[in-house]
Amino acid sequence: QSALTQPASVSGSPGQSITISCTGTSSDVGSYNLVSWYQQHPGKAPKLMIYEVSKRPSGVSNRFSGSKSGNTASLTISGLQAEDEADYYCCSYAGSSTYVVFGGGTKLTVL
Amino acid sequence: QVQLVESGGGVVQPGRSLRLSCAASGFTFSSYGMHWVRQAPGKGLEWVAVIWYDGSNKYYADSVKGRFTISRDNSKNTLYLQMNSLRAEDTAVYYCASSSLGIGAFDIWGQGTMVTVSS
Repeated sequence: QSALTQPASVSGSPGQSITISCTGTSSDVGSYNLVSWYQQHPGKAPKLMIYEVSKRPSGVSNRFSGSKSGNTASLTISGLQAEDEADYYCCSYAGSSTYVVFGGGTKLTVL
Repeated sequence: QVQLVESGGGVVQPGRSLRLSCAASGFTFSSYGMHWVRQAPGKGLEWVAVIWYDGSNKYYADSVKGRFTISRDNSKNTLYLQMNSLRAEDTAVYYCASSSLGIGAFDIWGQGTMVTVSS
């Protein structure tokens, strides 16, 4: 069982927007603005899409955005494209004892 | 270009040891914390360990604490993971990753190296 809870799957049509939730606790997501999101295509290494809740690394499309409310973080992808089909993982700092925890991952299908 | 290259994976029997390496290039390795993250076949990502930029602090996931040791040699731009007392559940692709953008923001990843623990 993963420390952070994500839906197993989400889907959307090209051009639509989708949101993936990531629910933690007051010990991780709720306590730190250190949530990140990763995209992983099959057989590839993960790619950082969002860090510190809502910041985008250089080169990441502005179609990707992040937010947080309480113990739940969210990743929104607008204007869905076929290449967005991938697994997405959230991650949060959880203090010096646990350090970092990942969500179980969400498979995004572009219909 | 910015790159991390892992090596050292393979097939090992339960209870044996293995050392993974991660060679960095194209960025100032000695300035950033480094991590190991693993992914069991068909499963999600699991954080394994972190070492601070100067090696002064190290943290481990409970699942590997006492068995795995993370280290680095900044003169060789290389990160290591010494894995002892290996178990079947340690079977995974092991990725090294840097966190130049802050805690938990793994911005550079290697291609991964597969470790299979089986008799």
